[in-house]
Amino acid sequence: QQQVKQSPQSLIVQKGGISIINCAYENTAFDYFPWYQQFPGKGPALLIAIRPDVSEKKEGRFTISFNKSAKQFSLHIMDSQPGDSATYFCAASKAAGNKLTFGGGTRVLVKP
Amino acid sequence: DSGVTQTPKHLITATGQRVTLRCSPRSGDLSVYWYQQSLDQGLQFLIHYYNGEERAKGNILERFSAQQFPDLHSELNLSSLELGDSALYFCASSVGASRLGSPLHFGNGTRLTVT
Repeated sequence: QQQVKQSPQSLIVQKGGISIINCAYENTAFDYFPWYQQFPGKGPALLIAIRPDVSEKKEGRFTISFNKSAKQFSLHIMDSQPGDSATYFCAASKAAGNKLTFGGGTRVLVKP
Repeated sequence: DSGVTQTPKHLITATGQRVTLRCSPRSGDLSVYWYQQSLDQGLQFLIHYYNGEERAKGNILERFSAQQFPDLHSELNLSSLELGDSALYFCASSVGASRLGSPLHFGNGTRLTVT
């Protein structure tokens, strides 16, 4: 059972454009929603995270929007740069522990 | 650099064999998690250890086992290997077991190829 669904699977954006990745979850017990960035040959690295008591969180060019009633959250990458080309994973975990359930990933390619 | 060390980086072995993957967590982290990443299944949680004790099991096959030692390093043992076990295996560590929002830090993985 896929508890976190992520879309799109891949995304091509021009340099300076906005990349938007969406995730939906099913389990209302999830209480922590991080996004991870993975480059080829590397492990996933934490990018930004949000809790459901906040509707939006911004760190530099990266913004998470969270809609608790719709059980959806999204990552916006503003002013996308070629160095942002990577695979992005959304994830979720329950309040009682840190085991993460990951979405399927989105491969982002930023064209110069 | 996440501070999580995984060895070996690459492993090529034959079907039916047994291998051991090793993980050293970040200094001070008591929790170790193992994940399997394959093209069709994404990142799948296998097992979680906290300070030497098993805390949670995910989609881990009976042919697979893990343990965390007193020095907090962990090993993932894969036996009776099948072609479908070929994947990237990631170890992650965090400070605690139940501290909300304690981020997971991933190593760079071990790429296992079963021929």
